[in-house]
Amino acid sequence: EAGVTQSPTHLIKTRGQQATLRCSPISGHTSVYWYQQALGLGLQFLLWYDEGEERNRGNFPPRFSGRQFPNYSSELNVNALELEDSALYLCASSLSYPNGAFGSGTQLSVL
Amino acid sequence: DQQVKQNSPSLSVQEGRISILNCDYTNSMFDYFLWYKKYPAEGPTFLISISSIKDKNEDGRFTVFLNKSAKHLSLHIVPSQPGDSAVYFCAASVNNDMRFGAGTRLTVKP
Repeated sequence: EAGVTQSPTHLIKTRGQQATLRCSPISGHTSVYWYQQALGLGLQFLLWYDEGEERNRGNFPPRFSGRQFPNYSSELNVNALELEDSALYLCASSLSYPNGAFGSGTQLSVL
Repeated sequence: DQQVKQNSPSLSVQEGRISILNCDYTNSMFDYFLWYKKYPAEGPTFLISISSIKDKNEDGRFTVFLNKSAKHLSLHIVPSQPGDSAVYFCAASVNNDMRFGAGTRLTVKP
C-alpha cells in the first residue's frame, strides 16, 4: 500500500512568488491535514480537508489556501511568499480515526 | 493558540534508562491523544495512542499515561535505546481535528 506522497520534495521560490504543494493521501483516506514546521518549531496546524471541504484552518493568513480534489488529493497554495514561509510543509491523511500517516514533506525555501 | 504544549524542547538519557516525555493540553474536549516520532528529513510516524476513556496504554517498550484531571499525558520509553533518538511530538484530537505540540528532541546516549 502506497503511503502519503508529497511533491515536490524541495521547492525554491523568491519573495512575492506563489508556491503550490501537492499531497496524495493513502488510498481510501478522505481527510488531508497540512502542517508547517518552521526551523526549530513544532508542527503548526494549517488546514484540514475532508470529503472535499475545508473543515478547519489554523492561525495563518489568507494567503495560505488550499483545496481537496474529488480523488481526495490536495493542494496547498501560498501566495505572496515571504521569507518566513520557509519551512517544511507536511501533509497527513487519515480515515475517520486520526492515526494520521504523514508524507515526507516539501521543503520550501523562500529567497 | 497553542492547545498542546511540550515544555521541554530536549531530553538526554543514558541507554537502558527510562525516557519520560511530557505533554500538556488546554482543551478539555480532546478525546484522543497520540505520540509521533520524527527523524530528520522524514515525516512523523505514528508511535502510540490513547483514548480519553483510558489512563494507560502500553506497546512494548512504549507506554502512554493520561491524566485527564491534570490535562497531562506522558510517554515512557523503557529501556531507552540509541535508535530512539528523534523528535517526539504529542498530538491531541477531537472530531478528527488534530493539534500537535512543539516536539521534544530525545537523545539516547550509548
